[in-house]
Amino acid sequence: QVQLVESGGGVVQPGGSLRLSCAASGFTFSTYGMHWVRQAPGKGLEWVSFIHYDGSVKYCADSVKGRFTISRDNSKNTLYLQMNSLRAEDTAVYYCAKDYGSGNYYRFDYWGQGTLVTVSS
Amino acid sequence: DIQMTQSPSSLSAFVGDRVTFTCRASQSVSSSLNWYQQKPGKAPKLLIYAASSLQSGVPSRFSGSGSGTDFTVTISSLQPEDFATYYCQQSYSTPPTFGPGTKVDIK
Repeated sequence: QVQLVESGGGVVQPGGSLRLSCAASGFTFSTYGMHWVRQAPGKGLEWVSFIHYDGSVKYCADSVKGRFTISRDNSKNTLYLQMNSLRAEDTAVYYCAKDYGSGNYYRFDYWGQGTLVTVSS
Repeated sequence: DIQMTQSPSSLSAFVGDRVTFTCRASQSVSSSLNWYQQKPGKAPKLLIYAASSLQSGVPSRFSGSGSGTDFTVTISSLQPEDFATYYCQQSYSTPPTFGPGTKVDIK
C-alpha cells in the first residue's frame, strides 16, 4: 500500500532554515508528480509546491517563492522541501501528497501524516 | 488565482440525515474540482475527484455534482464516521486552491 512518511519538522527561529523529507513506498515513486501542502494551526489547506515525476518542472506558491525549494531523489524514493528565510506565518503542518499522475494534475490521492514546523523565537 | 468559497462553514446533523454542502469557484473550473475529508489530527483524504467521481474505497452514500462554478456534495445517510471537515479544491489551474472547509458535526 502507498505510504508517505514526512520528517524534519521542528522549532526554528525566524530567518532560519529547515529541510523536510518525505519517504515514499508502495508505488513507483519515479513516475508520479509530488506536492507539498501545508495547514496552519486551526486553519485550512494551502498548496505549497509541486515537482514533476522526473524533477524537470517545479511550481510553487507565491507565498514561498524565492524561499522554499522542492526537490526529489528518485533513487531514494524521497521528496524534499528546503525552507529558508522562515517566517512566523510559515508555522504549519506540512504534508507531502502524491499526484494521481506524472504531471501537475493537482489531484492529491495519497497524503502523508504530516510534520509540524514551528517558527518562533 | 481562483478563489474557492464553501457554504455553510459548519452544520450540525443527526446520524441518518441527508446532508448537502456546496462549493463555488470565482471563475469556471469546468469539472476540475476535488473534495477531501479531514478528521481532527489526521491528513486529508481524497473523496471525490473530477466533480462527481468517487475515489476508490469511498462509500456510495457520498455523491458529487456540478460543473463550471458551482459544486455540491451530498451524503445520503450520515454515518458516525462522516463527522469531519470537508474541503473542495480546484485542479483547473496553477496554483491549485482550496476552499475554507465545511465542518460537519453531531447534532
